[in-house]
Amino acid sequence: KNQVEQSPQSLIILEGKNCTLQCNYTVSPFSNLRWYKQDTGRGPVSLTIMTFSENTKSNGRYTATLDADTKQSSLHITASQLSDSASYICVVTLYSGAGSYQLTFGKGTKLSVIP
Amino acid sequence: NAGVTQTPKFRVLKTGQSMTLLCAQDMNHEYMYWYRQDPGMGLRLIHYSVGEGTTAKGEVPDGYNVSRLKKQNFLLGLESAAPSQTSVYFCASGFRGLNEQFFGPGTRLTVL
Repeated sequence: KNQVEQSPQSLIILEGKNCTLQCNYTVSPFSNLRWYKQDTGRGPVSLTIMTFSENTKSNGRYTATLDADTKQSSLHITASQLSDSASYICVVTLYSGAGSYQLTFGKGTKLSVIP
Repeated sequence: NAGVTQTPKFRVLKTGQSMTLLCAQDMNHEYMYWYRQDPGMGLRLIHYSVGEGTTAKGEVPDGYNVSRLKKQNFLLGLESAAPSQTSVYFCASGFRGLNEQFFGPGTRLTVL
């Protein structure tokens, strides 16, 4: 069964510190991997999208890495801000044939940044 | 551009009642999706559409119906609501399955 596992489930860090969130997946064949940020009470917003041939992608203070061999991805947040408090969701897309794609969502990591 | 909008934002139903959730997008996207999000679980796909007049089942379609009569709108219907359908519902849209999906703000539905 295709799965996406994220760790940790939750994380509390001090403002200004860095942190790294993990995503392990078993989805195959893999098409792309996405990281989304979801603020409380809002819809998810895309941070990065990586294909299997990319191993890093940045979006401001957010940097995602991908190791397609070990099926692991990480999201690194630099110099955290209070506004980074949110859930971060890892999503893996697999091509299911005939022009169809299936997205498998992780349960997310809830990040709290405190002053 | 308003992006993806959802109506209503909140709703409380009694068991057995019916309702329709409306999703609208102004980005000319071909693909539209309905998800539900429950505590402790990842987003799960209910139904999706790859173009006007087309719909397909996702991972958890039972108890829901959808229609895509216009390219910009995607409706999600509950014919006979059950407490198990208490959830937050998100609509999303995108140009193709591999491309980025844009999410709406969500509808919080409670079924008593």
